[in-house]
Amino acid sequence: GESVGLHLPTLSVQEGDNSIINCAYSNSASDYFIWYKQESGKGPQFIIDIRSNMDKRQGQRVTVLLNKTVKHLSLQIAATQPGDSAVYFCADLVSGNTPLVFGKGTRLSVIA
Amino acid sequence: GAVVSQHPSRVICKSGTSVKIECRSLDFQATTMFWYRQFPKQSLMLMATSNEGSKATYEQGVEKDKFLINHASLTLSTLTVTSAHPEDSSFYICSAPGQGNGGELFFGEGSRLTVL
Repeated sequence: GESVGLHLPTLSVQEGDNSIINCAYSNSASDYFIWYKQESGKGPQFIIDIRSNMDKRQGQRVTVLLNKTVKHLSLQIAATQPGDSAVYFCADLVSGNTPLVFGKGTRLSVIA
Repeated sequence: GAVVSQHPSRVICKSGTSVKIECRSLDFQATTMFWYRQFPKQSLMLMATSNEGSKATYEQGVEKDKFLINHASLTLSTLTVTSAHPEDSSFYICSAPGQGNGGELFFGEGSRLTVL
């Protein structure tokens, strides 16, 4: 992920709309990417992952898109619900036991 | 799925005291664990990599004498914040990689430290 230590950008969406959260990573050698959701006062929760040999992966209501050319990752949440309100982090690593590097995060606020 | 447990979840201490935070992998063994720190409204920052049976590897700018890490067994890593000061107040999160080669990390629920 990008440099940390910056204040979180915020994305506000209407309940039922689709959300798109973007992330840039810096290590061109990274081959594994994960999106995490973090609710207030809790640890990160795994949402979805993707490997560098793919450019799209779908889960339940979530889709991750990977563009290795521009080192960009996005998370799409369909039919956003109030329970989706949280901070979302992308993270990347080079396969193995190297630690994840987290992006700056985006706070998603769902308006009922 | 794999579970990582942290204890305590919240701790308040006086300035100058030391605080120990435990991180346990409950149903798998972890030769490596990672400790992250998160300040309010910021991302997770890697502090150190804990290695079972050997010294921890610290990230640049993290004082190893202040943040003591011990990884004495395959299921337990501890982080001790020595002589804590108010600026050490933060959310500390540990994680451990899964058993496969996938690279996924399993996170603990975090420990919120408040130093008065």
